Amino acid sequence: SQTIHQWPATLVQPVGSPLSLECTVEGTSNPNLYWYRQAAGRGLQLLFYSVGIGQISSEVPQNLSASRPQDRQFILSSKKLLLSDSGFYLCAWRWGDHSPLHFGNGTRLTVT
Amino acid sequence: AQTVTQSQPEMSVQEAETVTLSCTYDTSESDYYLFWYKQPPSRQMILVIRQEAYKQQNATENRFSVNFQKAAKSFSLKISDSQLGDAAMYFCALQGAQKLVFGQGTRLTINP
Repeated sequence: SQTIHQWPATLVQPVGSPLSLECTVEGTSNPNLYWYRQAAGRGLQLLFYSVGIGQISSEVPQNLSASRPQDRQFILSSKKLLLSDSGFYLCAWRWGDHSPLHFGNGTRLTVT
Repeated sequence: AQTVTQSQPEMSVQEAETVTLSCTYDTSESDYYLFWYKQPPSRQMILVIRQEAYKQQNATENRFSVNFQKAAKSFSLKISDSQLGDAAMYFCALQGAQKLVFGQGTRLTINP
Protein backbone atom coordinates (compact mmCIF):
# COMPACT_ATOMS: atom_id res chain seq x y z
CA SER A 1 0.00 0.00 0.00
CA GLN A 2 1.01 3.59 -0.53
CA THR A 3 2.10 5.82 2.31
CA ILE A 4 3.24 9.41 2.53
CA HIS A 5 5.72 10.72 5.06
CA GLN A 6 6.11 14.37 5.93
CA TRP A 7 8.50 15.87 8.44
CA PRO A 8 9.04 17.53 10.77
CA ALA A 9 5.62 17.66 12.42
CA THR A 10 6.35 20.93 14.20
CA LEU A 11 8.94 23.61 13.55
CA VAL A 12 9.71 26.95 15.15
CA GLN A 13 12.12 29.13 13.21
CA PRO A 14 13.30 32.76 13.56
CA VAL A 15 12.66 35.31 10.84
CA GLY A 16 15.41 35.25 8.23
CA SER A 17 16.39 31.63 8.82
CA PRO A 18 16.27 28.96 6.07
CA LEU A 19 13.58 26.31 5.73
CA SER A 20 13.51 22.77 4.42
CA LEU A 21 10.43 20.56 4.65
CA GLU A 22 10.57 17.09 3.19
CA CYS A 23 7.93 14.76 1.87
CA THR A 24 8.34 11.23 0.54
CA VAL A 25 5.87 8.75 -0.91
CA GLU A 26 6.23 4.99 -0.73
CA GLY A 27 4.54 2.24 -2.67
CA THR A 28 3.96 4.01 -5.98
CA SER A 29 5.93 5.46 -8.84
CA ASN A 30 5.66 8.71 -10.78
CA PRO A 31 3.11 10.31 -8.47
CA ASN A 32 1.87 13.86 -8.86
CA LEU A 33 3.10 15.76 -5.79
CA TYR A 34 1.71 18.88 -4.14
CA TRP A 35 2.52 21.41 -1.42
CA TYR A 36 -0.36 23.27 0.20
CA ARG A 37 -0.38 25.87 2.97
CA GLN A 38 -3.23 26.44 5.38
CA ALA A 39 -3.39 29.64 7.42
CA ALA A 40 -5.17 29.39 10.77
CA GLY A 41 -8.89 28.72 10.32
CA ARG A 42 -8.74 29.04 6.55
CA GLY A 43 -8.69 26.95 3.41
CA LEU A 44 -5.81 25.30 1.62
CA GLN A 45 -3.70 27.34 -0.75
CA LEU A 46 -1.83 25.47 -3.46
CA LEU A 47 1.83 26.47 -3.47
CA PHE A 48 3.59 24.07 -5.83
CA TYR A 49 2.90 20.91 -7.74
CA SER A 50 5.04 18.49 -9.71
CA VAL A 51 4.14 15.90 -12.32
CA GLY A 52 7.68 14.50 -12.65
CA ILE A 53 11.29 14.74 -11.55
CA GLY A 54 12.58 18.26 -11.98
CA GLN A 55 9.17 19.56 -13.09
CA ILE A 56 7.84 22.18 -10.69
CA SER A 57 4.87 24.47 -11.20
CA SER A 58 4.50 27.47 -8.89
CA GLU A 59 1.09 28.85 -8.07
CA VAL A 60 2.00 31.72 -5.78
CA PRO A 61 5.05 33.98 -6.24
CA GLN A 62 6.78 34.29 -2.88
CA ASN A 63 10.00 33.50 -1.11
CA LEU A 64 9.33 29.77 -1.10
CA SER A 65 10.64 27.24 -3.62
CA ALA A 66 10.16 23.54 -4.26
CA SER A 67 12.30 20.80 -5.70
CA ARG A 68 11.83 17.19 -6.71
CA PRO A 69 15.25 15.57 -6.73
CA GLN A 70 13.85 12.04 -6.85
CA ASP A 71 10.66 10.51 -8.18
CA ARG A 72 8.99 10.20 -4.78
CA GLN A 73 10.63 13.08 -2.91
CA PHE A 74 9.30 16.62 -2.74
CA ILE A 75 11.05 19.38 -0.82
CA LEU A 76 9.77 22.82 0.17
CA SER A 77 12.46 25.40 0.88
CA SER A 78 13.12 29.00 1.73
CA LYS A 79 16.36 30.92 2.00
CA LYS A 80 14.94 33.50 4.43
CA LEU A 81 11.68 32.98 6.28
CA LEU A 82 9.16 35.77 6.80
CA LEU A 83 6.60 36.07 9.60
CA SER A 84 3.89 35.57 6.96
CA ASP A 85 5.28 32.11 6.18
CA SER A 86 3.82 30.77 9.41
CA GLY A 87 1.11 28.20 8.84
CA PHE A 88 0.29 24.55 8.41
CA TYR A 89 1.99 22.94 5.42
CA LEU A 90 0.56 19.86 3.82
CA CYS A 91 2.18 17.58 1.28
CA ALA A 92 -0.04 15.43 -0.91
CA TRP A 93 0.19 12.95 -3.74
CA ARG A 94 -2.01 11.29 -6.30
CA TRP A 95 -1.57 8.97 -9.21
CA GLY A 96 -3.06 10.22 -12.43
CA ASP A 97 -5.02 13.36 -13.15
CA HIS A 98 -8.31 12.60 -11.48
CA SER A 99 -7.68 10.36 -8.52
CA PRO A 100 -8.18 11.83 -5.03
CA LEU A 101 -5.33 13.50 -3.19
CA HIS A 102 -3.74 11.65 -0.29
CA PHE A 103 -2.30 13.94 2.35
CA GLY A 104 0.57 13.73 4.78
CA ASN A 105 0.08 14.64 8.42
CA GLY A 106 1.33 18.18 7.91
CA THR A 107 3.99 20.46 9.40
CA ARG A 108 3.06 23.27 11.73
CA LEU A 109 5.54 26.09 11.07
CA THR A 110 5.82 29.05 13.39
CA VAL A 111 8.11 31.89 12.36
CA THR A 112 9.08 34.09 15.32
CA ALA B 1 -9.36 29.92 -13.58
CA GLN B 2 -10.95 27.54 -11.13
CA THR B 3 -12.73 28.81 -8.05
CA VAL B 4 -14.59 27.14 -5.21
CA THR B 5 -16.88 29.01 -2.84
CA GLN B 6 -18.26 27.79 0.48
CA SER B 7 -20.63 30.46 1.75
CA GLN B 8 -21.17 28.98 5.22
CA PRO B 9 -18.14 29.56 7.48
CA GLU B 10 -19.88 27.71 10.34
CA MET B 11 -22.77 25.31 10.71
CA SER B 12 -24.20 23.42 13.66
CA VAL B 13 -26.59 20.50 13.90
CA GLN B 14 -28.13 18.36 16.61
CA GLU B 15 -26.82 14.87 16.94
CA ALA B 16 -28.81 12.41 14.78
CA GLU B 17 -30.21 15.21 12.61
CA THR B 18 -29.38 15.98 8.98
CA VAL B 19 -27.26 18.88 7.77
CA THR B 20 -26.38 20.18 4.32
CA LEU B 21 -23.17 22.04 3.51
CA SER B 22 -23.15 24.25 0.42
CA CYS B 23 -20.52 24.61 -2.27
CA THR B 24 -20.47 26.38 -5.62
CA TYR B 25 -17.68 26.32 -8.13
CA ASP B 26 -16.58 27.74 -11.42
CA THR B 27 -14.45 26.17 -14.13
CA SER B 28 -14.09 26.38 -17.87
CA GLU B 29 -13.07 22.74 -18.14
CA SER B 30 -15.53 20.09 -19.24
CA ASP B 31 -13.75 17.20 -17.54
CA TYR B 32 -13.41 17.64 -13.81
CA TYR B 33 -14.01 15.98 -10.46
CA LEU B 34 -15.43 17.28 -7.21
CA PHE B 35 -14.54 16.20 -3.71
CA TRP B 36 -15.48 16.79 -0.11
CA TYR B 37 -12.68 16.48 2.44
CA LYS B 38 -13.00 16.44 6.20
CA GLN B 39 -10.37 17.91 8.53
CA PRO B 40 -10.86 16.97 12.21
CA PRO B 41 -8.92 18.69 15.02
CA SER B 42 -5.96 16.43 14.27
CA ARG B 43 -5.74 18.38 10.96
CA GLN B 44 -5.44 15.20 8.93
CA MET B 45 -7.23 15.62 5.58
CA ILE B 46 -9.70 12.79 5.02
CA LEU B 47 -11.56 12.15 1.77
CA VAL B 48 -15.31 11.96 2.39
CA ILE B 49 -16.81 11.61 -1.08
CA ARG B 50 -16.05 12.22 -4.74
CA GLN B 51 -18.17 13.00 -7.80
CA GLU B 52 -17.23 12.70 -11.44
CA ALA B 53 -18.65 15.61 -13.44
CA TYR B 54 -19.69 13.37 -16.32
CA LYS B 55 -21.89 11.27 -14.04
CA GLN B 56 -25.44 12.49 -13.46
CA GLN B 57 -26.04 10.18 -10.53
CA ASN B 58 -25.24 11.71 -7.17
CA ALA B 59 -22.50 9.98 -5.19
CA THR B 60 -23.30 8.34 -1.85
CA GLU B 61 -21.05 6.97 0.87
CA ASN B 62 -22.99 5.59 3.81
CA ARG B 63 -24.40 8.63 5.68
CA PHE B 64 -22.82 11.09 3.25
CA SER B 65 -24.38 12.06 -0.05
CA VAL B 66 -24.07 14.90 -2.50
CA ASN B 67 -26.48 16.98 -4.55
CA PHE B 68 -24.60 17.69 -7.76
CA GLN B 69 -26.25 20.31 -9.97
CA LYS B 70 -23.89 20.66 -12.93
CA ALA B 71 -25.74 23.45 -14.74
CA ALA B 72 -25.86 25.52 -11.56
CA LYS B 73 -22.27 24.53 -10.66
CA SER B 74 -23.41 23.50 -7.23
CA PHE B 75 -22.10 20.59 -5.15
CA SER B 76 -23.63 20.31 -1.68
CA LEU B 77 -22.88 17.67 0.94
CA LYS B 78 -25.64 16.11 3.03
CA ILE B 79 -24.77 14.35 6.26
CA SER B 80 -27.54 12.18 7.64
CA ASP B 81 -27.85 10.93 11.23
CA SER B 82 -25.08 13.29 12.36
CA GLN B 83 -22.64 11.86 14.87
CA LEU B 84 -20.27 13.56 17.30
CA GLY B 85 -17.35 12.27 15.25
CA ASP B 86 -18.56 14.26 12.26
CA ALA B 87 -17.46 17.49 13.93
CA ALA B 88 -14.71 18.94 11.71
CA MET B 89 -13.84 21.44 9.02
CA TYR B 90 -15.29 20.38 5.69
CA PHE B 91 -13.68 21.45 2.44
CA CYS B 92 -15.15 21.32 -1.02
CA ALA B 93 -12.57 20.84 -3.76
CA LEU B 94 -12.51 21.00 -7.55
CA GLN B 95 -10.10 18.89 -9.56
CA GLY B 96 -9.32 20.05 -13.05
CA ALA B 97 -6.29 19.28 -15.17
CA GLN B 98 -3.48 18.59 -12.65
CA LYS B 99 -4.60 20.99 -9.91
CA LEU B 100 -6.98 20.61 -6.99
CA VAL B 101 -8.50 23.87 -5.71
CA PHE B 102 -10.17 24.09 -2.30
CA GLY B 103 -12.89 26.26 -0.86
CA GLN B 104 -12.42 28.15 2.41
CA GLY B 105 -14.15 25.49 4.45
CA THR B 106 -17.18 25.12 6.72
CA ARG B 107 -16.72 24.37 10.39
CA LEU B 108 -19.36 21.86 11.47
CA THR B 109 -20.33 21.55 15.13
CA ILE B 110 -22.43 18.65 16.39
CA ASN B 111 -24.59 19.43 19.43
CA PRO B 112 -25.26 16.43 21.69
